[in-house]
Amino acid sequence: EVQLVESGGGLIQPGGSLRLACAASGFTFVDYAMHWVRQAPGKGLEWVSGINWRADHIDQADSVKGRFTISRDNAKNFLYLQMNSLGPEDTGFYYCAAGRTLSYHFAFWGQGRLVTVSS
Amino acid sequence: VLAQSPGTLSLSPGERATLSCRASRSISSSYLAWYQHKPGQAPRLLIYATSNRATGIPDKFSGSGSGTDFTLTISSLEPEDFAVYYCQQYSRSLYTFGQGTKLEIK
Repeated sequence: EVQLVESGGGLIQPGGSLRLACAASGFTFVDYAMHWVRQAPGKGLEWVSGINWRADHIDQADSVKGRFTISRDNAKNFLYLQMNSLGPEDTGFYYCAAGRTLSYHFAFWGQGRLVTVSS
Repeated sequence: VLAQSPGTLSLSPGERATLSCRASRSISSSYLAWYQHKPGQAPRLLIYATSNRATGIPDKFSGSGSGTDFTLTISSLEPEDFAVYYCQQYSRSLYTFGQGTKLEIK
């Protein structure tokens, strides 16, 4: 059974940092690019960042460039998102998602983790 | 940019649902996908590459379109189909979602 389980998150003050992790199982991790997608309260889905299987190609949304860093550990089947300089606009659910290499969609999704940026 | 319409669609079980997704510029049919999202759950891939059903997706879900206009059709609605639906495109190394269509019970 495919599983993507996010951890980390919680309440953080504006300007703070947080790291999300995503544990993957049930599929061949290195066959997939990995992504983070978020959803602000009452809003739609927004792709945040993606990383290819070798971790030598990373793409990001303009809204997080220079502040968020995606990474992966293929030995442990983990995906990470380091989030710095957080602002209220970063509040929302963060989903880990997997897309098979050379595909352009997200085949597997985690249940999401809530990040709240507030003083 | 992806524009979905309508924003909210009110239908009864058994009816047919037609959801629209319009891109601001022409995209390859390989780059268009649809997802279903229910509150408190993970989004679920329904359709990829415009018209291909994902694993385990029943054939009541179908996708079509080309260029800038794409459609998701649900042939006969069941209670579990009422959710928010998103289209998603890939372009120039970036992924974009439409704003979503909320399918609600009439």
